[in-house]
Amino acid sequence: DTEVTQTPKHLVMGMTNKKSLKCEQHMGHRAMYWYKQKAKKPPELMFVYSYEKLSINESVPSRFSPECPNSSLLNLHLHALQPEDSALYLCASSPEEAGRETQYFGPGTRLLVL
Amino acid sequence: QQPVQSPQAVILREGEDAVINCSSSKALYSVHWYRQKHGEAPVFLMILLKGGEQKGHEKISASFNEKKQQSSLYLTASQLSYSGTYFCGTASGGSEKLVFGKGTKLTVNP
Repeated sequence: DTEVTQTPKHLVMGMTNKKSLKCEQHMGHRAMYWYKQKAKKPPELMFVYSYEKLSINESVPSRFSPECPNSSLLNLHLHALQPEDSALYLCASSPEEAGRETQYFGPGTRLLVL
Repeated sequence: QQPVQSPQAVILREGEDAVINCSSSKALYSVHWYRQKHGEAPVFLMILLKGGEQKGHEKISASFNEKKQQSSLYLTASQLSYSGTYFCGTASGGSEKLVFGKGTKLTVNP
C-alpha cells in the first residue's frame, strides 16, 4: 500500500479565513513533505518533516504554518492567504528523508483564494 | 539547482517510442522520475541511484550517466495511457532534497 491521502480535495477561501489542509499516510514513513504546484509548473518544496520534527522550511511565508501531530499525520494551517497562493498543494511521504528514498504523493488539495 | 529536461513537449502515435532527458550541472546522487496527468498527483515511475541501483516499474526503463550527470527515460511502444507530463527530480546528495525539472509534456495519439 503506497497511499497518501489528503483532505479536502478542493478548498475555496477568502483572504481573511483560516483553514487547514490534512495529509495522512499509514506506510510507516518517517519523512513527510508539503509541496506547492502552480499550473504547468513542477512541484516546489515548502516544508519537510523528519521524525515529526521540522527539517526544512524553504523560506515559506508565515501565513503557511505546518504541523506534524504524529508520524502519520501532517497538517498545513492557512491564514490570511493571498490570491497568488492559489495552487495545488501536494503532500508526499518517504521512508526516510533522503535523496535515495522514493517519495509518494497524495492526490493534492486544489486551493483557490478569493 | 533545477535540472534541465528535454524535450519540453513531444507528440507520438500509439506504438512509437520516446526518450526524455534530464541533466544537471551538479553531481547527482539520485534521479527520480514521475508522471503527472492533468488534475492528478505525480505518480512515481523510477528511481536511479548513484552506483547503479534502480527501482521502478518493469515496463519503464531509464539510464543514469553519473559522469555526465544525465538521466534518460525510455518509453517504448507507447500507449494512450502514457500521456501526461513527466518530471525528473534530482538530489545531489544522499540527504539532499529533491529538485524537479520543468517537465516534459508527452501526448500519445491513436
